[in-house]
Amino acid sequence: DAGVIQSPRHEVTEMGQEVTLRCKPISGHDYLFWYRQTMMRGLELLIYFNNNVPIDDSGMPEDRFSAKMPNASFSTLKIQPSEPRDSAVYFCASRATSGRETQYFGPGTRLLVL
Amino acid sequence: SQKIEQNSEALNIQEGKTATLTCNYTNYSPAYLQWYRQDPGRGPVFLLLIRENEKEKRKERLKVTFDTTLKQSLFHITASQPADSATYLCALGSGSARQLTFGSGTQLTVLP
Repeated sequence: DAGVIQSPRHEVTEMGQEVTLRCKPISGHDYLFWYRQTMMRGLELLIYFNNNVPIDDSGMPEDRFSAKMPNASFSTLKIQPSEPRDSAVYFCASRATSGRETQYFGPGTRLLVL
Repeated sequence: SQKIEQNSEALNIQEGKTATLTCNYTNYSPAYLQWYRQDPGRGPVFLLLIRENEKEKRKERLKVTFDTTLKQSLFHITASQPADSATYLCALGSGSARQLTFGSGTQLTVLP
């Protein structure tokens, strides 16, 4: 398996622009998580899905952030409008229902908002 | 509020020695605890899981202990090697929820 795939790997944009991050989970995994990592706040959970349904979005910073999972093999995290404080590395992770509760992370998207 | 603390942001040790990393938590009753390794520019990678009813787990040169009374987990790397240099994250999970709460990580450097 190719593992969790994220795109783009790097994104540089200007304040006010819309940013869309993409994730393809491991096939057969029914949980998908979006995280944000910064030096100041570490790795924070933003939202997670089970069987394509959002379960907990309490970590989403504000209404500028939205996430969707239209099918089992694709999810997006959108920021509109983007702000410099959104600069961070965004990770997607997936896991299966059964097993050892292990989460498998993608390589991340490094976002810089100027 | 829930809080997870990992010992000193950075830890330097000499090759061949045992590295010991600490994860303390408050206001949390985890059902299990996991340790992940993160290399620069990459996502975290799972290493070990230990459940609340287990005291110790081993995997090759890695050992994890879990003391729910002290609310602490220790992560040991024996016979450390420069290739073990990375950031190590502890993560707590509850039985009902599927999400993990991560500590801030400890950056380990093994000096040759």
